[in-house]
Amino acid sequence: EAEVAQSPRYKITEKSQAVAFWCDPISGHATLYWYRQILGQGPELLVQFQDESVVDDSQLPKDRFSAERLKGVDSTLKIQPAELGDSAMYLCASSPPAANSPLHFGNGTRLTVT
Amino acid sequence: QKEVEQDPGPLSVPEGAIVSLNCTYSNSAFQYFMWYRQYSRKGPELLMYTYSSGNKEDGRFTAQVDKSSKYISLFIRDSQPSDSATYLCAMRSGGSYIPTFGRGTSLIVHP
Repeated sequence: EAEVAQSPRYKITEKSQAVAFWCDPISGHATLYWYRQILGQGPELLVQFQDESVVDDSQLPKDRFSAERLKGVDSTLKIQPAELGDSAMYLCASSPPAANSPLHFGNGTRLTVT
Repeated sequence: QKEVEQDPGPLSVPEGAIVSLNCTYSNSAFQYFMWYRQYSRKGPELLMYTYSSGNKEDGRFTAQVDKSSKYISLFIRDSQPSDSATYLCAMRSGGSYIPTFGRGTSLIVHP
């Protein structure tokens, strides 16, 4: 079964450093999402892409976070500078073009900021 | 008050028990309801996906939606230690691709 690929699985960085996460969605999935999940909480949306266009980034802290999906396939989420409160699991999900399709998640990147 | 409320647990049951996991919600526009299972250090995995009210069964899992009460449930029959995980409910309206998640319930099935 096709999967959403994410890398790295784990990342430890010092505060004020830059960090980047990569996601490759399931082939054919036009919609891509980045979520942040704090331990003990449900995932919260950061940004949604439809092909290469941002559909919703209202919850993305734009002073330090950026996301791109230049060719409408894989995507990168960047944090610069990282803060202690950014420690969390960063999940990528994708869904096919059909309107009522559920999301399929990758295994995430666990970020620890020290 | 959050749009989706879910008791974080943990819920501890013996192997073979019937498990009931629940969520309540406040947004009457929600029409699509999902249950995800999340093992430690893994991403959420879709278990059940239902539309509107009613029941849906898949093997040992049954999803139930009561829109009049704004209440959804996931039942697990003959629970196994391998069912030990966090179960997240999620729901969305017909006009949105983006689901709203509960905080998840931690389930422990002990042998």
